Amino acid sequence: KQEVTQIPAALSVPEGENLVLNCSFTDSAIYNLQWFRQDPGKGLTSLLLIQSSQREQTSGRLNASLDKSSGRSTLYIAASQPGDSATYLCAVVTGTASKLTFGTGTRLQVTL
Amino acid sequence: SAVISQKPSRDICQRGTSLTIQCQVDSQVTMMFWYRQQPGQSLTLIATANQGSEATYESGFVIDKFPISRPNLTFSTLTVSNMSPEDSSIYLCSVNRGHEQFFGPGTRLTVL
Repeated sequence: KQEVTQIPAALSVPEGENLVLNCSFTDSAIYNLQWFRQDPGKGLTSLLLIQSSQREQTSGRLNASLDKSSGRSTLYIAASQPGDSATYLCAVVTGTASKLTFGTGTRLQVTL
Repeated sequence: SAVISQKPSRDICQRGTSLTIQCQVDSQVTMMFWYRQQPGQSLTLIATANQGSEATYESGFVIDKFPISRPNLTFSTLTVSNMSPEDSSIYLCSVNRGHEQFFGPGTRLTVL
C-alpha cells in the first residue's frame, strides 16, 4: 500500500526566503506525482505535475523535482511571498487508475 | 485545465439526515472521483464514479453510506447518508484531464 509523507509538517519563513518542501513515497512504481496548494477551507489548486519519466518541472517561482528510485520529490519555492502562505500537498498516482494517494501536507506561513 | 463546480458550498445538518452533493464539470470526462478531507487531515479517496456503471468504492467506504450517481459524462452526485458528527468533513470531487487531476472547490459539511 502506497504511503506518502511530507516534511516538515509546518514551516514559517520570512518573506524573500527560498524554501524546500519534501515529499517521500514508499512505492517507487508511480505513474506521476502532483503538487497542490490548498488555502484554508478551500479546494485544491494544481501547481505542478511530474510524469514518472521526468526529473523536474518548473512554473514561475516553483520548481519540483522527482527522484523516483529513491521515492522522493521536492518543491522549491523561490523568493517566498506572504501570498504563498497555504498548505502544500503532494500526491502520487500508483498504477493507471488515476487514483491519488495524498501526503500529510506542509502548512507554510510566509511572514512580512 | 478543468472547471469544476460543487453545490452546496457548505451545509450544517442534523444527525441522522442525508445530504446530496452535486459536482458539475465543464466538459465530458470518463471518471469522476470523490474525496473526503476530515478536519486537520489530508484527502482520502471515497470512490470512483464511471458513467454507465456502478461506482468503485475504496476500502472503508460502502455504497449504503455514500451512494453515488453518474447520470452523464459531466455530472455526479455523492450522498452522505444517515449522518453523524464523524461525517463532518470537506467533500471534494475531482477529474483527470491529460494525466493531471483537478478539484472542485469542495463542500464543507458540519453535522451536529
